[in-house]
Amino acid sequence: RKEVEQDPGPFNVPEGATVAFNCTYSNSASQSFFWYRQDCRKEPKLLMSVYSSGNEDGRFTAQLNRASQYISLLIRDSKLSDSATYLCVVNGGGGYQKVTFGTGTKLQVIP
Amino acid sequence: GAGVSQSPRYKVAKRGQDVALRCDPISGHVSLFWYQQALGQGPEFLTYFQNEAQLDKSGLPSDRFFAERPEGSVSTLKIQRTQQEDSAVYLCASSRTGSEQYFGPGTRLTVT
Repeated sequence: RKEVEQDPGPFNVPEGATVAFNCTYSNSASQSFFWYRQDCRKEPKLLMSVYSSGNEDGRFTAQLNRASQYISLLIRDSKLSDSATYLCVVNGGGGYQKVTFGTGTKLQVIP
Repeated sequence: GAGVSQSPRYKVAKRGQDVALRCDPISGHVSLFWYQQALGQGPEFLTYFQNEAQLDKSGLPSDRFFAERPEGSVSTLKIQRTQQEDSAVYLCASSRTGSEQYFGPGTRLTVT
């Protein structure tokens, strides 16, 4: 089993739709969690951290479920500019913050 | 302020050649990471530095890969005797805390 798993998609959704991605991780000692966004042929950029209590940033909501070892990202009112690949990132376990990326979920928002 | 920079942005190497990829992290960031990203995949961890110390090199795929950060700032990833399977985008990221990372634009390496 991969350390961090994501559904690769693509998720094709109309503008204005709500879409959710899940990401599962295998290391129960993992300590911190993030969502990154990567546009085609660009570098990943930090979208948001994921806190235990859940957190929201505008149209984006991130949740963490430690018991089931998954994190989620919810995007409301999708915009064309949200089209990108969303990477789940898990840190921790061990003496330093070892970082593991998921393979990414591709989102295409359609007019 | 200035972000992470990488050079060259594109590199074409003939199989068997050695290449050196450079990363200039954000000033003051003690943590530096190298990743390899193949098309359609997420970044795969290669190695991690805290200042000049290479704390983890478990992701380096073979002994042809070598990374250094001698003064705790600029880092170089060297690949000796390149092979076609080394073709990928090599990403560098830096972090102040080791947690949230800021990526450079990457070096796209093509081995012919």
